[in-house]
Amino acid sequence: GAGVSQSPRYKVAKRGQDVALRCDPISGHVSLFWYQQALGQGPEFLTYFQNEAQLDKSGLPSDRFFAERPEGSVSTLKIQRTQQEDSAVYLCASSPIGGINQPQHFGDGTRLSIL
Amino acid sequence: SQQGEEDPQALSIQEGENATMNCSYKTSINNLQWYRQNSGRGLVHLILIRSNEREKHSGRLRVTLDTSKKSSSLLITASRAADTASYFCATDARNAGNMLTFGGGTRLMVKP
Repeated sequence: GAGVSQSPRYKVAKRGQDVALRCDPISGHVSLFWYQQALGQGPEFLTYFQNEAQLDKSGLPSDRFFAERPEGSVSTLKIQRTQQEDSAVYLCASSPIGGINQPQHFGDGTRLSIL
Repeated sequence: SQQGEEDPQALSIQEGENATMNCSYKTSINNLQWYRQNSGRGLVHLILIRSNEREKHSGRLRVTLDTSKKSSSLLITASRAADTASYFCATDARNAGNMLTFGGGTRLMVKP
């Protein structure tokens, strides 16, 4: 079956531009997560949705980062006025239901480069 | 910030040898998970061990958990060149809303 799909796979933007990254979770998955992974590091949590509700956005590094999941399926991570330190791989993950003891299913990520 | 530390940061072994990776964490957890990441790809879930479990097996993988020491280990037996990847432990901490906190990873190279 289809896994988590992210687009674009690669994005190059000039500093100051806005970018939008898309995540299509596995159909029917309730929980959706965004992570940021710097080169050579482990992923770091950004935000979490359960259906359309954003239950945790404590990991978003600044108010330039905004995420939404308006219909409880596809999610978009938007970064405004990008800066060089935003360069990273942005990973999306989903899991079937809310609650503990659930593995997460990851997409291949969007590699964002800010020039 | 990342909760855990993984040890070693890099490991190079010959095909057929066993590979052991260790993970330490800081807070109380619901479970600990191990993931694998090939270069340029997303993370693939390998195994989940709950806080009340001490050992779990899946194929050539063996995971242990010691909650008193806040540590876990992943053993890959009879390694293959295709096992070359980065391996991450991740904790699902209590009262943290299902988010995962990852370690820095171990980069494993298995030489044919």
